[in-house]
Amino acid sequence: DADVTQTPRNRITKTGKRIMLECSQTKGHDRMYWYRQDPGLGLRLIYYSFDVKDINKGEISDGYSVSRQAQAKFSLSLESAIPNQTALYFCATRGTYNEQFFGPGTRLTVL
Amino acid sequence: DAKTTQPPSMDCAEGRAANLPCNHSTISGNEYVYWYRQIHSQGPQYIIHGLKNNETNEMASLIITEDRKSSTLILPHATLRDTAVYYCIATDPQAAGNKLTFGGGTRVLVKP
Repeated sequence: DADVTQTPRNRITKTGKRIMLECSQTKGHDRMYWYRQDPGLGLRLIYYSFDVKDINKGEISDGYSVSRQAQAKFSLSLESAIPNQTALYFCATRGTYNEQFFGPGTRLTVL
Repeated sequence: DAKTTQPPSMDCAEGRAANLPCNHSTISGNEYVYWYRQIHSQGPQYIIHGLKNNETNEMASLIITEDRKSSTLILPHATLRDTAVYYCIATDPQAAGNKLTFGGGTRVLVKP
């Protein structure tokens, strides 16, 4: 079984809808991250969490919120989706030396 | 993060070793070298990291020069499934946030 899982893998939604992307991990890591990737571009950090009580904004947090329900679970919400939030979303966990382990990604399309 | 420079692309024959170079001439003493790869539209995959010494794991070997200004990732027996974009990153694991920043990477095509 994969160490980092994401659901759903694909999602199509309409402008203005609220959606949630979920991430679970079995690596036992405290630190978790949400990134987005746009075609031809690198990763951009949305939010990160050092533990269940420590949530931090990344470089592009506007329009997103997160919830760290437990060490193993980190959810990303789009409160009111807009078309320019169409992207690939990746969740990751962090090991001892900042090696990061990524989930398979969620392909989100906002119409 | 120290700036890294990689060739934009390279081809490799299946079954042969693939040697991927990376320059990081401004690397600081606290910065490690990390390698990741990303197969099209899949999640980035951690490969290996090192500080000074050469490192080997089940996926690859990492050779770091003595002055630490460059490194080489070696895939010992490339397979078609190793076709991907490979990213070299030099970063301090203690830096706040620890976000990953991928540069252009090297697009590796493994040919039969």
